Amino acid sequence: DTGVSQNPRHKITKRGQNVTFRCDPISEHNRLYWYRQTLGQGPEFLTYFQNEAQLEKSRLLSDRFSAERPKGSFSTLEIQRTEQGDSAMYLCASSLVAGVGGYTFGSGTRLTVV
Amino acid sequence: DQQVKQNSPSLSVQEGRISILNCDYTNSMFDYFLWYKKYPAEGPTFLISISSIKDKNEDGRFTVFLNKSAKHLSLHIVPSQPGDSAVYFCAASPFTGTASKLTFGTGTRLQVTL
Repeated sequence: DTGVSQNPRHKITKRGQNVTFRCDPISEHNRLYWYRQTLGQGPEFLTYFQNEAQLEKSRLLSDRFSAERPKGSFSTLEIQRTEQGDSAMYLCASSLVAGVGGYTFGSGTRLTVV
Repeated sequence: DQQVKQNSPSLSVQEGRISILNCDYTNSMFDYFLWYKKYPAEGPTFLISISSIKDKNEDGRFTVFLNKSAKHLSLHIVPSQPGDSAVYFCAASPFTGTASKLTFGTGTRLQVTL
């Protein structure tokens, strides 16, 4: 068990470009979550999956954002036509459905849109 | 609308003394509360949690107290150690005992001095 892995760790992109991040959860965890954290704020919920089903999406997740979890394993978060306001740390976490306690977070992907 | 509030952005405590971090919430539907610790360049790490049916939960040096009528919780760290220096986030979930969608506070930076 190597924990939750996120790639890349850092991404710098020009405004208007598309970016995709990957998250590999802990293998036996069936829930996977995406959060976004900006400077001085706590993590904000974006979306979560149970196995391959996307169960909830935040209003923060505009139509430029799409997340997938094919086959219930790894997940990708894509941002189309990036804007400077998308610059943030994108955090992935995983847990068991009935897990007591908190989830396990990855180290995040820091996105900078220039 | 900030549903989970951490009104102290920072706290400095001497090694060996008690650290008390506070958190207030406004949403009566919250039923499960968690504390996370975050070091720079890492994702948040789960520390301790408490269900609304309890008013106290202890784990080693860490104790969380919940006052439902005041919608207030606090994290006590005794004794504080230099390795405790980090940002602490309070989080809340509407689902008892299971960390599903979490709402985080803005964090309190704890510095433990020698």
